[in-house]
Amino acid sequence: DIVMTQSPDSLAVSLGERATINCRSSQNILYNSDNKNYLAWYQQKPGQPPKLLIYWASTRASGVPDRFSGSGSGTDFTLTISSLQAEDVAVYYCHQYYSTPRTFGQGTKVEIK
Amino acid sequence: QVQLVESGGGVVQPGRSLSLSCAASGFSFSTYVMHWVRQAPGKGLEWVAAMWHDGSNKNYVGSVKGRFTISRDNSKNTLYLNMNSLRVEDTAVYYCAREEKGDYVLHYWGQGTLVTVSS
Repeated sequence: DIVMTQSPDSLAVSLGERATINCRSSQNILYNSDNKNYLAWYQQKPGQPPKLLIYWASTRASGVPDRFSGSGSGTDFTLTISSLQAEDVAVYYCHQYYSTPRTFGQGTKVEIK
Repeated sequence: QVQLVESGGGVVQPGRSLSLSCAASGFSFSTYVMHWVRQAPGKGLEWVAAMWHDGSNKNYVGSVKGRFTISRDNSKNTLYLNMNSLRVEDTAVYYCAREEKGDYVLHYWGQGTLVTVSS
């Protein structure tokens, strides 16, 4: 199974500042035949299901503000919130859909400093 | 609009069985791959199982293989998860989710149903 490891486990950022979350996969999740990274990012707020933010490592899902961006390739990926807003307080998960079983990172809790 | 509504959760003793349902609406259910994902209280997300649109392929996470069965009734627009030999560690909110065609990503999720395994 592919293990997804996020860092840090939690971070506190001031409003308007940048938040950066890292995700590392135990195996390469770049599929050579289509040159796509099978990596997604989800946001989850308390009592709610996960919300898709980013897929193919860097494609924003419909309706997602452009302050959210994803980058990386192969085994190392990053989710960046360029200017943290109060509504961004949540837990963020990376997720690989390269192989079965699909796996998630352990989550990163983002709070306001 | 796409809607996924899970039901069937509850409290069950270890070793017993429970069956979950996910009622889908707002899209052509029979043409989509569907998944179950769970989340233990205060913990992270764990993918559980998936089933192709026509039922020709099913996949499971190792911890539930042989105990859980995913199925679907396309005539009723409903996805199921039959859970046998339940363990305390199966306690979680169970979400159903729709895999988007072409990008394989879980875009739409239900609100989840809570399963508590306790004596």
